[in-house]
Amino acid sequence: QVQLQESGPGLVKPSGTLSLTCAVSGGSISSSDWWSWVRQPPGKGLEWIGEIYHSGDTNYNPSLKSRVTISVDKSKKQFSLKLNSVTAADTAVYYCARHWAYWGQGTLVTVSS
Amino acid sequence: EIVLTQSPGTLSLSPGERATLSCRASQSVTSGYLAWFQQKPGQAPRLLISGTSSRATGIPDRFSSSGSGTDFTLTISRLEPEDFAVYYCQQYGSSPPKYTFGQGTKLEIK
Repeated sequence: QVQLQESGPGLVKPSGTLSLTCAVSGGSISSSDWWSWVRQPPGKGLEWIGEIYHSGDTNYNPSLKSRVTISVDKSKKQFSLKLNSVTAADTAVYYCARHWAYWGQGTLVTVSS
Repeated sequence: EIVLTQSPGTLSLSPGERATLSCRASQSVTSGYLAWFQQKPGQAPRLLISGTSSRATGIPDRFSSSGSGTDFTLTISRLEPEDFAVYYCQQYGSSPPKYTFGQGTKLEIK
C-alpha cells in the first residue's frame, strides 16, 4: 500500500521560503504516475500547485509558477516543494498526492512573523 | 482556465435519501477527465471517481457519476451516515492550469 508523508516547518516568516518534502513508501516513485502538491487554506477549497514525474518533468499552476519549484529525489524516494516569497495568503494545509488515489495526511504551514 | 462551479453549496438530506451533486465547467472538458473527491474534516481528500465514471478501488457502488462537455453529476443512491462530507469535482485540462477543483459541495445531515 502506497503511503505518503509530508514533512517540513509548520511556521514560515513572510517573504521567506516554504519547503516541504513528501516521503513515499510502499511503492515506487518511478511508477507511471505523476506526483502533485495540493493546498487548502483553512476553511476553503483545494488548489493544485503543481506536479512532477519521476523523469523530472514538471507542470505548475500559472498562478504560482513564478514562486514554485517541485523536485524529485529518486534515491531517497521523495519529492519536494519550494514556494518562495510567501505571504499570509500561503497559509494552508499542504498535501502531496500520487495521482490521485494516494494522498498524504497533509501538513499545516502558517506564514506569520 | 476552466472554472468548475459546484451546486448546491450545501445539500441537506437524510440517510437513505438520494443525493445529486452538480459540477459545471466554464468550458468543455475536452479531455473527458472529471474526477470526484470526498473530504471529511481533518482528512485528506479521497478519490471516489476518476475519468468521469470509473469508481476508485473500494468505493461502494452507491456512488456513480455521469456527464460530458460542461455538465457533470455525482449521484449517491442511498446515503449512509459516513457519506456526509464535502465533495469536490476536479478536471484535467489541456491548457494551464492542468488541474482545477470546484469550490465544493457540503453534504450535511438534515
